[in-house]
Amino acid sequence: ETGVTQTPRHLVMGMTNKKSLKCEQHLGHNAMYWYKQSAKKPLELMFVYSLEERVENNSVPSRFSPECPNSSHLFLHLHTLQPEDSALYLCASSQEGTRGGELFFGEGSRLTVL
Amino acid sequence: KQEVTQIPAALSVPEGENLVLNCSFTDSAIYNLQWFRQDPGKGLTSLLLIQSSQREQTSGRLNASLDKSSGRSTLYIAASQPGDSATYLCAVGGSARQLTFGSGTQLTVLP
Repeated sequence: ETGVTQTPRHLVMGMTNKKSLKCEQHLGHNAMYWYKQSAKKPLELMFVYSLEERVENNSVPSRFSPECPNSSHLFLHLHTLQPEDSALYLCASSQEGTRGGELFFGEGSRLTVL
Repeated sequence: KQEVTQIPAALSVPEGENLVLNCSFTDSAIYNLQWFRQDPGKGLTSLLLIQSSQREQTSGRLNASLDKSSGRSTLYIAASQPGDSATYLCAVGGSARQLTFGSGTQLTVLP
């Protein structure tokens, strides 16, 4: 298994659906992140789990709900999304305290909300 | 609030040329700076990480420099190849939790 793995790679959902994105890191890191990448915009940090502490961007709507059961797995639960939530969702991991926090990303989950 | 600007937004060069991508940031109190590459529809690949105490990092044909006092970093690509075509992103960090990304430079290397 390589680096950071995200599933599914592509997801199409209606506004009333509930779905989840999954991320798994095989790097032994202690921090995991969800980023949103919309067209023509810089990457936006959504959530961080680090050393069992959760940090979130206060501008993220409550229809996005993260879950981090352990240091290797991260989920993003999605419910009643809006079409403007269509974007590439990227998971990343890092090792806080060493290597200066170099960030490693997965391939992303392309979400389309109809 | 940290702001990161990458200029130009797009760049097209013939194969073999040496080129420089620019990144500027407003707050010089940074922890590190990281350059990434992103291919269309894919995730980000880390290219180089420069700690705040360092001036430059090199990997193969890539060289990244950091000048904190002027709020600038450059990514130098030597002898460009068509396979270098991608979007290059600069991210400036107070820490990994506080990375601020630029909008990227879309590079096209023409055969």
